[in-house]
Amino acid sequence: EVQLVESGGGLVKPGGSLRLSCAASGFTFSSYSMNWVRQAPGKGLEWVSSISSSSSYIYYADSVKGRFTISRDNAKNSLYLQMNSLRAEDTAVYYCARDIAARPGDAFDIWGQGTMVTVSS
Amino acid sequence: QLVLTQSPSASASLGASVKLTCTLSSGHSSYAIAWHQQQPEKGPRYLMKLNSDGSHSKGDGIPDRFSGSSSGAERYLTISSLQSEDEADYYCQTWGTGTHVVFGGGTKLTVL
Repeated sequence: EVQLVESGGGLVKPGGSLRLSCAASGFTFSSYSMNWVRQAPGKGLEWVSSISSSSSYIYYADSVKGRFTISRDNAKNSLYLQMNSLRAEDTAVYYCARDIAARPGDAFDIWGQGTMVTVSS
Repeated sequence: QLVLTQSPSASASLGASVKLTCTLSSGHSSYAIAWHQQQPEKGPRYLMKLNSDGSHSKGDGIPDRFSGSSSGAERYLTISSLQSEDEADYYCQTWGTGTHVVFGGGTKLTVL
């Protein structure tokens, strides 16, 4: 079964850091671009970051550029999001999603169930 | 600027059909999009990729009741024989050079 499982969410104070993980199974992880998408409570989907299959291409939304870092370990079938200098407006459910293609820039065809990040003092 | 516009809400009766619209911003009428469904308290689910010529490829297990079509800058998702489980939020997604990904604001579908 093709599956993405996020973990690492939790409560963190403003200015703090958190590292999210996404474990992939059921497909050849190293062949696909991967993405992080977030959804603030009661709001729509917001793209956060994308990484190509070999990590050659990395993109960020302006709202997180300079604070968040996306990475992957193809040997471990895992995707990561290092989040620093967290703000209240980063509070959201964070989803990892698989891109249809190896290079970013296509539809997201597999989604995880999400992990909640709450930034609050 | 690449923007997707969706109506905030739509409604239709059980067993009827509904057509949801996603509109691409000016100058981007040739772009493909994807449709995603998000049922309450669940993660999104990929429905299909829809090209500007109306051709589309659906995700695994997506019923034939779901279909897509295109006209100019408009991308449509039609759901026929509406069922209660179709009550959900529907998002369109596109992507540009750069590559920035854009989501529409979502349409909340109510099945009456």
